[in-house]
Amino acid sequence: GEDVEQSLFLSVREGDSSVINCTYTDSSSTYLYWYKQEPGAGLQLLTYIFSNMDMKQDQRLTVLLNKKDKHLSLRIADTQTGDSAIYFCAERGSNFNKFYFGSGTKLNVKP
Amino acid sequence: EADIYQTPRYLVIGTGKKITLECSQTMGHDKMYWYQQDPGMELHLIHYSYGVNSTEKGDLSSESTVSRIRTEHFPLTLESARPSHTSQYLCASSGALNSPLHFGNGTRLTVT
Repeated sequence: GEDVEQSLFLSVREGDSSVINCTYTDSSSTYLYWYKQEPGAGLQLLTYIFSNMDMKQDQRLTVLLNKKDKHLSLRIADTQTGDSAIYFCAERGSNFNKFYFGSGTKLNVKP
Repeated sequence: EADIYQTPRYLVIGTGKKITLECSQTMGHDKMYWYQQDPGMELHLIHYSYGVNSTEKGDLSSESTVSRIRTEHFPLTLESARPSHTSQYLCASSGALNSPLHFGNGTRLTVT
């Protein structure tokens, strides 16, 4: 099946930018998503990008998509301690019914 | 804000008990999903449904079963719980082709 990979941990200082990276294998992916999970909660949709876009910006969040390299990144500007969470990258499979998730990146923001 | 609800939030039960985890959504979504999440974070799809009376097994084998008698309701049942079933269970739903997954807050199950 489709494979989505992320690094497991990222540690940054408050006020710095965070960049979380993701690679995927399905070249026919239509949508790619970023979710945030806080302790004890479900996954919250942060943002998504359609596969024919290169970039999407939403306040402090910037998503970059390199479709040729099948690489997706999430940049969080001015990272705050409240951004500490697990971030999941996900792609919607070509059959539109299945979603494939990375293993999650745990972001730790130090004050 | 997505309207998808899971109950209970936490459940501690003894081995051998039968349990049902509830999931309901008010968005009229056709597609619903159950994920099992390890303490190590990774999500595993265990069941999904494309509509009423449609259920499929996911990528991770599970001893649980599901039913979809109504669009809004997708309960998951364990006939005989075991300690290996201890995990967090996340329910999700999705609508039209370009609709993202919306998640409930999860049920954290502990089997003693």
